[in-house]
Amino acid sequence: DAKTTQPNSMESNEEEPVHLPCNHSTISGTDYIHWYRQLPSQGPEYVIHGLTSNVNNRMASLAIAEDRKSSTLILHRATLRDAAVYYCILKAFNKFYFGSGTKLNVKP
Amino acid sequence: DSGVTQTPKHLITATGQRVTLRCSPRSGDLSVYWYQQSLDQGLQFLIQYYNGEERAKGNILERFSAQQFPDLHSELNLSSLELGDSALYFCASSLTGGGTGELFFGEGSRLTVL
Repeated sequence: DAKTTQPNSMESNEEEPVHLPCNHSTISGTDYIHWYRQLPSQGPEYVIHGLTSNVNNRMASLAIAEDRKSSTLILHRATLRDAAVYYCILKAFNKFYFGSGTKLNVKP
Repeated sequence: DSGVTQTPKHLITATGQRVTLRCSPRSGDLSVYWYQQSLDQGLQFLIQYYNGEERAKGNILERFSAQQFPDLHSELNLSSLELGDSALYFCASSLTGGGTGELFFGEGSRLTVL
């Protein structure tokens, strides 16, 4: 089963970009890379997903390595409201694996 | 508001007891997922249903069972409860069960076993 590896925690200054890495060296061709975040005392919420190409939405950007063995979630300007645990997930039909998550701390 | 409704929000019970957690997915979503999150832990996938049928099973104990009903709501049954079963239980739904489907999570049911 494909797994993901993320740093336990990261720190960022407010208004600065944040790059959250994820390793998924055993990813298969059908696995989509999803990112979710979990704010304190809330359920996880969707951030972004992609398969092979880089993706952008209003919340973030997802950069996927050419070999797909790693990806990076990019928050272009971190705000205090972005402080959360960010999960990198591989999702294919009927199979999806949460990583350990990265706790992002945003300093004012 | 994700559109996924979980009840009850909080539940306190004793060891050895049995509880049922309920999940109503977003309108139109066919797939329901259950996750367990123990204190300061990541989310552990338990089980997935798609349109009433079990589609994937994760780290679900034999004491736990689930089902998805014709109206697509789902229930997670936890029996012979142990102290270690205390956790947040999340339900998520998606339109499909495939890789592109965005998961919408409920706010969770917090179970405390004393």
